[in-house]
Amino acid sequence: GAVVSQHPSRVICKSGTSVKIECRSLDFQATTMFWYRQFPKQSLMLMATSNEGSKATYEQGVEKDKFLINHASLTLSTLTVTSAHPEDSSFYICSASDRTASYNEQFFGPGTRLTVL
Amino acid sequence: DAKTTQPPSMDCAEGRAANLPCNHSTISGNEYVYWYRQIHSQGPQYIIHGLKNNETNEMASLIITEDRKSSTLILPHATLRDTAVYYCIVRGGATNKLIFGTGTLLAVQP
Repeated sequence: GAVVSQHPSRVICKSGTSVKIECRSLDFQATTMFWYRQFPKQSLMLMATSNEGSKATYEQGVEKDKFLINHASLTLSTLTVTSAHPEDSSFYICSASDRTASYNEQFFGPGTRLTVL
Repeated sequence: DAKTTQPPSMDCAEGRAANLPCNHSTISGNEYVYWYRQIHSQGPQYIIHGLKNNETNEMASLIITEDRKSSTLILPHATLRDTAVYYCIVRGGATNKLIFGTGTLLAVQP
């Protein structure tokens, strides 16, 4: 299957700083990328849908000014957690939709573990 | 998208078939059933999907009832590496979004 990478895999930052997470589709073009957040022992929660070249669509309750999403190319989307606080500590996972796949399968990245001190 | 209901946990002996049920009684005609799994601290992995016919691939089989209100994912010969949370998701044809429920934690026992 297609490969999606995330960088960094793990990040620790101080409260009040901003953190950028990258999501890349390595061997396919992704017109759509998705960002999820997962707290311990909970399911994945969709945060936003990102389409290449346009503004992201955020799910209800997700602050768009706090979680900045940029999808500037068909292989890269970034999520910036601005002014991070301890409650933002979570596992952030991206996925990418392969535009050439007949059934629009989503491929997931390995996730980024964010810890805010 | 239709809501799904799965048992929170199941056990299976190594080498035996694992049968994971999913109820999706409010599924509509153009919605597909997808199965993903998530091994601890990793991103989800696609397993299989179907509309109304049974499907099989190298990982699993998907059995969908005739009324489409429920389905069963079958791992024919479970191994310890199949221990994971398995998510059954119903997704409409017009949307790309996957909405994850609570899933089933499958524990394969030696």
